[in-house]
Amino acid sequence: DQQVKQNSPSLSVQEGRISILNCDYTNSMFDYFLWYKKYPAEGPTFLISISSIKDKNEDGRFTVFLNKSAKHLSLHIVPSQPGDSAVYFCAAVQGVGTDKLIFGTGTRLQVFP
Amino acid sequence: ETGVTQTPRHLVMGMTNKKSLKCEQHLGHNAMYWYKQSAKKPLELMFVYSLEERVENNSVPSRFSPECPNSSHLFLHLHTLQPEDSALYLCASSLGTGSHEQFFGPGTRLTVL
Repeated sequence: DQQVKQNSPSLSVQEGRISILNCDYTNSMFDYFLWYKKYPAEGPTFLISISSIKDKNEDGRFTVFLNKSAKHLSLHIVPSQPGDSAVYFCAAVQGVGTDKLIFGTGTRLQVFP
Repeated sequence: ETGVTQTPRHLVMGMTNKKSLKCEQHLGHNAMYWYKQSAKKPLELMFVYSLEERVENNSVPSRFSPECPNSSHLFLHLHTLQPEDSALYLCASSLGTGSHEQFFGPGTRLTVL
């Protein structure tokens, strides 16, 4: 059973608008979350992360929100740019001192002009 | 070369062949990982090496055999694979266990006939 779920396989957003990518998890022991971005023919690249002790982390155009009670996190990209078109993966880490990442299936974001 | 490199980028092999995937990281990291990504499935962790010692074997069949001769190189030896082993195999590295940010290579697209 998948512990990290990205229920939207794809998302299409106009340039300049906000992109919101969602991720749900089932394991309350997860204490650190990451977002990765993947372009075709490349490996995933780290984008932004958040610890379970926080509910928001911001880095430029990218903000990740964490709602622990709902076991839900989201990635906001504003303003969206065509170069943001990629597959976005949510990942979770269980426990201190472990580096085992549990990934979601990804959401393909397309930003059109 | 910078970052994490993987060779070959594409590999087609028969079920009776023996082949090896190679990964090299130029980041001075101490931990390396093998992941498998099958179609429509999330990335699955296969193996973790920390300071050249295997610390995780995620219930992977013995037809996959990892080797980590030093902290910069990681191999995945393949023998008597099955068609369902066709997937994208990704290598990653990190500073060490507990460092959640992993840096990925571009992957090897493997097809087993």
